[in-house]
Amino acid sequence: QQQVKQSPQSLIVQKGGISIINCAYENTAFDYFPWYQQFPGKGPALLIAIRPDVSEKKEGRFTISFNKSAKQFSLHIMDSQPGDSATYFCAASSDGNNRKLIWGLGTSLAVNP
Amino acid sequence: GAVVSQHPSWVICKSGTSVKIECRSLDFQATTMFWYRQFPKQSLMLMATSNEGSKATYEQGVEKDKFLINHASLTLSTLTVTSAHPEDSSFYICSASANEQFFGPGTRLTVL
Repeated sequence: QQQVKQSPQSLIVQKGGISIINCAYENTAFDYFPWYQQFPGKGPALLIAIRPDVSEKKEGRFTISFNKSAKQFSLHIMDSQPGDSATYFCAASSDGNNRKLIWGLGTSLAVNP
Repeated sequence: GAVVSQHPSWVICKSGTSVKIECRSLDFQATTMFWYRQFPKQSLMLMATSNEGSKATYEQGVEKDKFLINHASLTLSTLTVTSAHPEDSSFYICSASANEQFFGPGTRLTVL
C-alpha cells in the first residue's frame, strides 16, 4: 500500500520553466512533509519541508504548496535550470515512530538547456 | 552543519564474505539512525531503525540476522551485511535524525 503517491514519474522542462511535482497522502496523522533532491550515486538531500499549519513555504526558487483538506502537497521549481536535473522525492512522517519517513516513488526531472 | 558520513563509499566483495558499513553524524548527536536500501531508479526502502543503545527495529521482510545493525554511540551506527550474495548488491544509505533526517552519501555494494 503506497501511502504517499507521487506524480509524474518523469518530467522534462525547458530551462527557465516551472517544474511541478505533486504528492498525495492518506494518513491524516502525517505532520511533516519534506522534499528531497537526489543526484545519481549520491544520498538524498533535504530541499524544503513544510508542516500542515501553513499552506505555502518558499525558499529561493523552491516552493511547497500544501492543501490539508485535499491531502496533497506539491513542489514548484521556478526558473528551472539544467543543474536542477535530478530525482525528487516527497515524503511524510508523523510524530512518534521515530519520525519514520514514508516515501513517494520519485520523479526524475530533466531540464533542457 | 548536520553532516553525515558513510564509509566506505563503495565496496566490492566476494560472495560469502561479510561487509561492514559505517555511518557517522559528524557535528551532531543522533539518537536515531535509519538504514535504507535503494535499487536503481527506485525509491528508498527503509531497512531498519536504529536507536542508540538498543536493538534495531527491522522492517517487515528484512532479515535481521543477515543485516546486523549496531548503534554503539550517538554518532556511529554500523550495518554489517553477513554472508553477502550477489542479490545483496545495492546502494545502502544511512540517515541520522535530529528533528529531521540528514542523509549520508551512500555506499555502493557490489557482491561478485
